[in-house]
Amino acid sequence: DAGVIQSPRHEVTEMGQEVTLRCKPISGHNSLFWYRQTMMRGLELLIYFNNNVPIDDSGMPEDRFSAKMPNASFSTLKIQPSEPRDSAVYFCASSRAGALPDTQYFGPGTRLTVL
Amino acid sequence: SQQGEEDPQALSIQEGENATMNCSYKTSINNLQWYRQNSGRGLVHLILIRSNEREKHSGRLRVTLDTSKKSSSLLITASRAADTASYFCATGGGSTLGRLYFGRGTQLTVWP
Repeated sequence: DAGVIQSPRHEVTEMGQEVTLRCKPISGHNSLFWYRQTMMRGLELLIYFNNNVPIDDSGMPEDRFSAKMPNASFSTLKIQPSEPRDSAVYFCASSRAGALPDTQYFGPGTRLTVL
Repeated sequence: SQQGEEDPQALSIQEGENATMNCSYKTSINNLQWYRQNSGRGLVHLILIRSNEREKHSGRLRVTLDTSKKSSSLLITASRAADTASYFCATGGGSTLGRLYFGRGTQLTVWP
């Protein structure tokens, strides 16, 4: 079975541009998590979904960030407009919540650079 | 905060030595997990210990859990240069929705 798939792997954009990150969770997993990792702040949970429904988005930095999960096999994280301080590695992870253990499986990440 | 906190932040050892990393947390947990992250990669699950367990082994890994002290330790025996990575502890509160609370990690460097 393929792991969590993220695209693109690298994204370089200019300040003010819209950025869309994509994630395909592992088939059969019902929880999906978006994380951001920086040297300064470590690994931060931005938002997570269960059965395609957003459960907690309190980690989303501000209104410039939005996330959707239109179906069980796809999620997007959008930043509009992007700013240099959004530069980070963004990870998507999925798990089979409800059936312990609640191990999370991480994708390879998207390294975002905003100039 | 429900986050685990690892100690030390960084650890540097020679190949063949043992590496011990610690994790402390603040709330009751259902389980505690350790993850590994190689440079430029995503986190990978290593081992899970449930709240009713005290010790668990997996290959060269040994995890202990002391719920009275709200702490855990990860021991890597006979370390290798390939063990160089960041190690994170994560606590699960038993929620059926799968959320985990990750610490800041310990950066382990193993010199050949």
